[in-house]
Amino acid sequence: DADVTQTPRNRITKTGKRIMLECSQTKGHDRMYWYRQDPGLGLQLIYYSFDVKDINKGEISDGYSVSRQAQAKFSLSLESAIPNQTALYFCATQNANTGELFFGEGSRLTVL
Amino acid sequence: AQSVTQLGSHVSVSEGALVLLRCNYSSSVPPYLFWYVQYPNQGLQLLLKYTSAATLVKGINGFEAEFKKSETSFHLTKPSAHMSDAAEYFCAVTLPGYRTLTFGKGTMLLVSP
Repeated sequence: DADVTQTPRNRITKTGKRIMLECSQTKGHDRMYWYRQDPGLGLQLIYYSFDVKDINKGEISDGYSVSRQAQAKFSLSLESAIPNQTALYFCATQNANTGELFFGEGSRLTVL
Repeated sequence: AQSVTQLGSHVSVSEGALVLLRCNYSSSVPPYLFWYVQYPNQGLQLLLKYTSAATLVKGINGFEAEFKKSETSFHLTKPSAHMSDAAEYFCAVTLPGYRTLTFGKGTMLLVSP
């Protein structure tokens, strides 16, 4: 089983719908991240959490919200999806001692 | 704030040729630097990292990178490309203490027979 699991892997939805992307991890790391990947733009940080009581906005948090339900779970929500939120979304955990990020396989979201 | 610039969105090499992927950083303090690789339909995985020890860092799959402070660079190299090296490569920077990583826009490596 993967250490960082994202669900769903693929989702097509319509403008205005609420969408939740879920992430769970078995790495035992306190730090978790949500990134968005667009072709030619690299990875942009949406939100991050250094422990269950800590939530921080990244560089592109507008239109997104997150919930850290437990050390192992970090979900990303789009309250009212719009077409320019069509992208590949990655969840990651971080080893605080080495700095290494461990990524899930991604959730591809298409907003029509 | 720190940033990285990857020169070239696409790099094409022949199998067996030298691979050189360029990364320049900007940071107000000595940074920590990473290279990640993304194979098709997968998440990113760590290739190597620099954390202020040896300036020449060796990673997985025969890749290495050299930290050059005078040039603010951290270029990724491999002496001989394999077809399996075809992927997208990302350079990333953070500050000591391992806070959030800032990624470059990526370089797609294409390897031809």
